[in-house]
Amino acid sequence: GAVVSQHPSRVICKSGTSVKIECRSLDFQATTMFWYRQFPKQSLMLMATSNEGSKATYEQGVEKDKFLINHASLTLSTLTVTSAHPEDSSFYICSAREVGDFNQPQHFGDGTRLSIL
Amino acid sequence: DAKTTQPPSMDCAEGRAANLPCNHSTISGNEYVYWYRQIHSQGPQYIIHGLKNNKTNEMASLIITEDRKSSTLILPHATLRDTAVYYCIGGAYSGAGSYQLTFGKGTKLSVIP
Repeated sequence: GAVVSQHPSRVICKSGTSVKIECRSLDFQATTMFWYRQFPKQSLMLMATSNEGSKATYEQGVEKDKFLINHASLTLSTLTVTSAHPEDSSFYICSAREVGDFNQPQHFGDGTRLSIL
Repeated sequence: DAKTTQPPSMDCAEGRAANLPCNHSTISGNEYVYWYRQIHSQGPQYIIHGLKNNKTNEMASLIITEDRKSSTLILPHATLRDTAVYYCIGGAYSGAGSYQLTFGKGTKLSVIP
């Protein structure tokens, strides 16, 4: 149980294009989903927290107009990297926490490796 | 979130128990201790979590000291597939959907044949 699916697993695109990443909870409902970014040899850094049906909360230093988050249902959140540039190349990982006990663990997707040429 | 301190790396012989320590001396009363691991180029995998009592599941055991200032994750019979970075994290719900896990640098566990 508690499977989080992330798609695509890898994307390579040209500078200036926008890229959408999907995060789905497959066998549970997730009130809250989280988006992280991980650069090589570094730890995960939280970018934003999204709650179903409301606006995402972004961490300091993360541009909300560049990283658009939509959490329209209890099983789907999307992250769109708009006008991507080479410095946005990174490993993007989502996680989801099951509705209910607030101390239930987050479950993570397998990440999306984004490469901007 | 409580700040956690872990050794940067550890080695363990295949088949032996791997004991991964974590200090969390500033943990508050309602913060749980979570353990995750990350195998190269994958998302973190949940292992176990606890508040104050020891816990065991199919993956590992978690031993939390009585004062809750430290804990140990035990992999009873380490295999080569357990080679990963292990993260110890303190986390708690703080209302209005605010519930975060702050990842540190973790411990890189290398299981040696």
